[in-house]
Amino acid sequence: KQEVTQIPAALSVPEGENLVLNCSFTDSAIYNLQWFRQDPGKGLTSLLLIQSSQREQTSGRLNASLDKSSGRSTLYIAASQPGDSATYLCAPRRFGNEKLTFGTGTRLTIIP
Amino acid sequence: GAVVSQHPSWVICKSGTSVKIECRSLDFQATTMFWYRQFPKQSLMLMATSNEGSKATYEQGVEKDKFLINHASLTLSTLTVTSAHPEDSSFYICSARDQAGVYEQYFGPGTRLTVT
Repeated sequence: KQEVTQIPAALSVPEGENLVLNCSFTDSAIYNLQWFRQDPGKGLTSLLLIQSSQREQTSGRLNASLDKSSGRSTLYIAASQPGDSATYLCAPRRFGNEKLTFGTGTRLTIIP
Repeated sequence: GAVVSQHPSWVICKSGTSVKIECRSLDFQATTMFWYRQFPKQSLMLMATSNEGSKATYEQGVEKDKFLINHASLTLSTLTVTSAHPEDSSFYICSARDQAGVYEQYFGPGTRLTVT
């Protein structure tokens, strides 16, 4: 059974700083991995999808990396802004299985 | 593109009544939709996988007779919480997979259910 852990559970940083969110998963037989953000009381917004054959994906100030063999993914946020405050979730998808397994999330607060 | 809507966004009902939540893919066809529930400050837990034209597949521990799922078209899935109780109060989120895509799921905005 896939287990997904995100560290840290909560993070507060001053505006403008670069930061890294970590995601680890126990089953490395994944097809792809998605990073999402969730604002309080809202649904999920997909940020990046990284295929198992890729090592990185970039979108604006966001960069996701994937090391499938070690069961790790990171989300790098450059030049953080108060609007980046949200909970960030990672979710790997196993080969032959459409289900996503969600991590515990990192609650990010950017201090103006 | 790839927008998923849910209706209603919030609902309050009395214990013992039934509530229906709709999930629609607005600009793509979705043969597969997923229903999740989320308790406060917790992550999403998959309840069931909904396939167009066939019976839903429920996760272990989810009562299929209590959470009725219907996926009658390529753009609509419904979740009916039958005989709701206060412990069913939760945030329900659906997602839809674009059948033309790379297994990326797009999520709806969620429905807050409160059972009094």
